[in-house]
Amino acid sequence: DADVTQTPRNRITKTGKRIMLECSQTKGHDRMYWYRQDPGLGLRLIYYSFDVKDINKGEISDGYSVSRQAQAKFSLSLESAIPNQTALYFCATAGQDEKLFFGSGTQLSVL
Amino acid sequence: AQSVAQPEDQVNVAEGNPLTVKCTYSVSGNPYLFWYVQYPNRGLQFLLKYITGDNLVKGSYGFEAEFNKSQTSFHLKKPSALVSDSALYFCAVSSHSGYSTLTFGKGTMLLVSP
Repeated sequence: DADVTQTPRNRITKTGKRIMLECSQTKGHDRMYWYRQDPGLGLRLIYYSFDVKDINKGEISDGYSVSRQAQAKFSLSLESAIPNQTALYFCATAGQDEKLFFGSGTQLSVL
Repeated sequence: AQSVAQPEDQVNVAEGNPLTVKCTYSVSGNPYLFWYVQYPNRGLQFLLKYITGDNLVKGSYGFEAEFNKSQTSFHLKKPSALVSDSALYFCAVSSHSGYSTLTFGKGTMLLVSP
């Protein structure tokens, strides 16, 4: 089983819809992250959490929200999806050494 | 603010030849430096990291990277490239402050030809 599991793997939705991407991890790490990947832009940090009661905005948090339901679970929501949120989304987890373990990604298309 | 520059969008090398993927960084204080690799339709995988100590860091799949503080660089190298090394490579930096986050470069596509 994967250390970091993301669901769904692929999602197509329409403008204005609310979408939730889910992430769970079995590494036992406190730190969890959501990144988005766009061609030519690399990975950009959306939100991160250093423990269950901690939520922090990354560099591109507008239009997104997160929930840390448990140490192992960290979900990302798009409140009202728009086409420029079409991207590949990655969840990751890390220990104190900041070495990231990534999920397989969710390809989101907003029409 | 911390940042990473990967000046080459793509690097082409023939199988068996040495390869270098360049990375320079900007960060306050001592850096944590990382290289990750992404194969098609996969998440990123950790290759190696520099925290402190020896400037030459060895990692997975025969890759190594050299930390150069004066040039603020952390270039990825491999003595003999394989076709299977073809992938997207990301350099990343954090400020080693305990509660920092990783900032990634834009990525360099490595293409190894037979």
